[in-house]
Amino acid sequence: DAGVIQSPRHEVTEMGQEVTLRCKPISGHDYLFWYRQTMMRGLELLIYFNNNVPIDDSGMPEDRFSAKMPNASFSTLKIQPSEPRDSAVYFCASSILAGVYNEQFFGPGTRLTVL
Amino acid sequence: QQQVKQSPQSLIVQKGGISIINCAYENTAFDYFPWYQQFPGKGPALLIAIRPDVSEKKEGRFTISFNKSAKQFSLHIMDSQPGDSATYFCAASSASKIIFGSGTRLSIRP
Repeated sequence: DAGVIQSPRHEVTEMGQEVTLRCKPISGHDYLFWYRQTMMRGLELLIYFNNNVPIDDSGMPEDRFSAKMPNASFSTLKIQPSEPRDSAVYFCASSILAGVYNEQFFGPGTRLTVL
Repeated sequence: QQQVKQSPQSLIVQKGGISIINCAYENTAFDYFPWYQQFPGKGPALLIAIRPDVSEKKEGRFTISFNKSAKQFSLHIMDSQPGDSATYFCAASSASKIIFGSGTRLSIRP
């Protein structure tokens, strides 16, 4: 398996523009997570899905952020409009629940820079 | 109650020494405690994990010590090597949600 795939790997945009980050989870994984990583705040869980259904979006910072999972093999995280404080590395991760074990497999991340 | 506190923020250890990173949690509902390792430019990857019914787990040079009553756990890296230089995150999990610590940047001096 190729692992979790994210695109683009790098994104530079200007303030006010719409940004869409994409993720393909590992086939067969039932859970998909979106994280944001910054120096100041560390690794933050934004939202996660189970079987394509959003379960917990309490980490989404504000209404400018939205996430969708139209099918088991694709998810998007959208920021509209983007702001400089959104600059961060965004990770997608997937997992399959097996008992109490919950290893998450992370993608390589998308480094977002908002100018 | 959802926080996981991790220390130190950064750590420098001589090659061959022991690296120790500590974490504490509050929510007793957590039932899985993994450690993730992250190299620059990469996503975190699971290193080792423990359940609360055991006090220690060892995999090679990496050991987790777990103190359920104190709600604390730690990662020990024996015979630390330059290749261990990375950022380490502890985490606590229940169901399918993981709460990560703030991370420790570990540097091993040759």
